[in-house]
Amino acid sequence: GAGVSQSPSNKVTEKGKDVELRCDPISGHTALYWYRQSLGQGLEFLIYFQGNSAPDKSGLPSDRFSAERTGGSVSTLTIQRTQQEDSAVYLCASIEVAGSYNEQFFGPGTRLTVL
Amino acid sequence: AQTVTQSQPEMSVQEAETVTLSCTYDTSESDYYLFWYKQPPSRQMILVIRQEAYKQQNATENRFSVNFQKAAKSFSLKISDSQLGDAAMYFCAYRSRGSQGNLIFGKGTKLSVKP
Repeated sequence: GAGVSQSPSNKVTEKGKDVELRCDPISGHTALYWYRQSLGQGLEFLIYFQGNSAPDKSGLPSDRFSAERTGGSVSTLTIQRTQQEDSAVYLCASIEVAGSYNEQFFGPGTRLTVL
Repeated sequence: AQTVTQSQPEMSVQEAETVTLSCTYDTSESDYYLFWYKQPPSRQMILVIRQEAYKQQNATENRFSVNFQKAAKSFSLKISDSQLGDAAMYFCAYRSRGSQGNLIFGKGTKLSVKP
């Protein structure tokens, strides 16, 4: 079946603009994760969804970052008033059951560049 | 909080030779999962191999195997008969069993394969 998809693949924006990044998880996967990968760094956890609820938002770096998930499926990560330090690759992942031994499947990511 | 450390930013191996990538982690938990992910230039995170902490037997997947030393909190990846397609970033990751299941990543090791 189809894997995790993300759009856009690349996004270039100007400092101060808002951006929306989209993630389509694998159908039937109840848990969804957003990670950020800055240049030369590992992946940093941002937020986790179980269904449409986000029990843990502690990884969001500032209040400019928000995310939602609708219908237990598509998720949108929104960054308001973007800053140059927000430039990174944003990766989404989904898994059938959170916390299980199951594989967490990743999307190809969105590369965000803030000029 | 759990942490994952990869002490080798870059490694190089000759085609057909064997290479070992190092990973150590810190946790107070007794039950958890460990993973190695491969990230080629395409950005797609690919699961290479996984290990359950309560299993003493080291996991093996074709040319990939791990050396899991629970007491030492070490989880190294051995790649045998290295191929050009193995060139990529390799990330070691930790996941607590149960709970929300987000992955905690090391900073990665860039593996080059010389023909």
